[in-house]
Amino acid sequence: EAGVTQFPSHSVIEKGQTVTLRCDPISGHDNLYWYRRVMGKEIKFLLHFVKESKQDESGMPNNRFLAERTGGTYSTLKVQPAELEDSGVYFCASSQGGGQRRSPLHFGNGTRLTVT
Amino acid sequence: DAKTTQPTSMDCAEGRAANLPCNHSTISGNEYVYWYRQIHSQGPQYIIHGLKNNETNEMASLIITEDRKSSTLILPHATLRDTAVYYCIVRAGGGVGGTSYGKLTFGQGTILTVHP
Repeated sequence: EAGVTQFPSHSVIEKGQTVTLRCDPISGHDNLYWYRRVMGKEIKFLLHFVKESKQDESGMPNNRFLAERTGGTYSTLKVQPAELEDSGVYFCASSQGGGQRRSPLHFGNGTRLTVT
Repeated sequence: DAKTTQPTSMDCAEGRAANLPCNHSTISGNEYVYWYRQIHSQGPQYIIHGLKNNETNEMASLIITEDRKSSTLILPHATLRDTAVYYCIVRAGGGVGGTSYGKLTFGQGTILTVHP
């Protein structure tokens, strides 16, 4: 079974530019999550999709961030325009749907974003 | 989700058992205890989770106290590759809906160093 795949693994852009990160979850996983870790800080939740719907986007920092999951498969996270403080590692995770015994999240290896 | 408290760092000799403690005194009845680890430059890796019974899998054992206010992750025979940051996370369980459904809240974790 293929794990969660993220692309690109690294991205270096200039302040003001746009970057789009992509996440391919494990096949059949309804739940998809975005997290990020900025330098020296803890891993922080950004948002959660159930299929194509946004279940919880309470962690999105501001309206420069736009996440989509068209068709309930892969997801993209766009940052436009990028600012210096957006630098960090962006992780995607997925899990199976529902149930009392919570299905664990499986994480990708992240996209390291550097804004210069 | 309930807050967890872990030691900042721990050491373990290779081949010995590593016992990582976690306090979660405010855990509620439907909250699970999850353990993840992050090895440098990789995404968080799921280890194990449990509700109130002790759990064991191919990676580790999870011992949860009877009052559920604390738990211990046991790596029975630590290797150098187990050097990582270990996160103890309490996650809401059961039912659909609510903004906390599904997400994990990461703290600082415990830096485990396994030495030869």
